[in-house]
Amino acid sequence: AQKVTQAQTEISVVEKEDVTLDCVYETRDTTYYLFWYKQPPSGELVFLIRRNSFDEQNEISGRYSWNFQKSTSSFNFTITASQVVDSAVYFCALSDQNTGNQFYFGTGTSLTVIP
Amino acid sequence: KAGVTQTPRYLIKTRGQQVTLSCSPISGHRSVSWYQQTPGQGLQFLFEYFSETQRNKGNFPGRFSGRQFSNSRSEMNVSTLELGDSALYLCASSSFVSGGRTDTQYFGPGTRLTVL
Repeated sequence: AQKVTQAQTEISVVEKEDVTLDCVYETRDTTYYLFWYKQPPSGELVFLIRRNSFDEQNEISGRYSWNFQKSTSSFNFTITASQVVDSAVYFCALSDQNTGNQFYFGTGTSLTVIP
Repeated sequence: KAGVTQTPRYLIKTRGQQVTLSCSPISGHRSVSWYQQTPGQGLQFLFEYFSETQRNKGNFPGRFSGRQFSNSRSEMNVSTLELGDSALYLCASSSFVSGGRTDTQYFGPGTRLTVL
């Protein structure tokens, strides 16, 4: 069965600190897709990144970076030099060949950046 | 391109009533999925429509239904509302998917339904 675990429910950091959000996933498929979304207070889920299971290359986009490790079934997300605008709930999601467009979401990590 | 739009944004209903929510996908996207978000259950998949056909369905009672029109716009309907149906209902669209490949889903702002 597919499952996504985000063990960190809430995180608070002071502005300019680095913060890592953890995501652990479970799937029996060898081909799967991982996503991170950001949900600000307005409610809309904003797409951040997509990773295919066959591409383990880590990625950096500005202050954001993602560490995908198949060996530990983890897809962690790091924000460098956090800013107040980063305050939001962050969701990790999984889909695979069996589920197609049915995404399985983690429970989310609420990040508060204190000025 | 315009993003996914959902109407209405807020809705208040009473128990026993029914409600219809609307979603317009990103232009060119043919797949529309619906999710329910509640504090207790998190984000849960309701169903997905592609080319006017329901392609996948989550574990929700039959009171939850949907449809998709030829222009890819989608509606979801909840009949005989219960207090527990109070939630944020999110619609997501993606482009054509084949052979089990998954495309990125782009979400709308949601409809916040309150059942009194």
